[in-house]
Amino acid sequence: AQTVTQSQPEMSVQEAETVTLSCTYDTSENNYYLFWYKQPPSRQMILVIRQEAYKQQNATENRFSVNFQKAAKSFSLKISDSQLGDTAMYFCAFMKLGGNTGKLIFGQGTTLQVKP
Amino acid sequence: DARVTQTPRHKVTEMGQEVTMRCQPILGHNTVFWYRQTMMQGLELLAYFRNRAPLDDSGMPKDRFSAEMPDATLATLKIQPSEPRDSAVYFCASGAASSYNEQFFGPGTRLTVL
Repeated sequence: AQTVTQSQPEMSVQEAETVTLSCTYDTSENNYYLFWYKQPPSRQMILVIRQEAYKQQNATENRFSVNFQKAAKSFSLKISDSQLGDTAMYFCAFMKLGGNTGKLIFGQGTTLQVKP
Repeated sequence: DARVTQTPRHKVTEMGQEVTMRCQPILGHNTVFWYRQTMMQGLELLAYFRNRAPLDDSGMPKDRFSAEMPDATLATLKIQPSEPRDSAVYFCASGAASSYNEQFFGPGTRLTVL
């Protein structure tokens, strides 16, 4: 079975600074996707970034980038130039590919507070 | 602006009552997921459907929960009878056949069972 672990329950960062959220996962699968979702106080789940396991290049979306270390089963999220609107809970998630795919397995989440 | 919609957004009920939550997936999406979010368990998958057929409902308590897709535009999650431990936020998400890797979430239904 796959598991996803986020070891940082809470983090804070000053506005305009950079912060890195950690995520590790455990799987015996070789083909999978990894995701970071953001959940602001509105409760809406928003996809931030995704990474295909077969791609060595780290995914980037504007101020958000990941450090994907497949051998170490690590998938951290870096937020550059943090903004007040980045305040939210962030979830790392795993999805196996193949077969009846589509099931997301989430970590416990990291609450990020961006301070002015 | 295609979105997943869920109704009701909030529900307060008493223990023992039946609760029905509804979800309208994005038009054209053929995969629908139900997730539950609690402080203790986090986000967990309850069930999911593809082309209206249930694929996996192993995360769902079978004795009181049921999930259906009567048609392609409606998914329902029913709890009967409800218990206080069912209090949670229930999310519906949908995905397209061409991109199972991306799921679009609805705003959730916050359920409180007294």
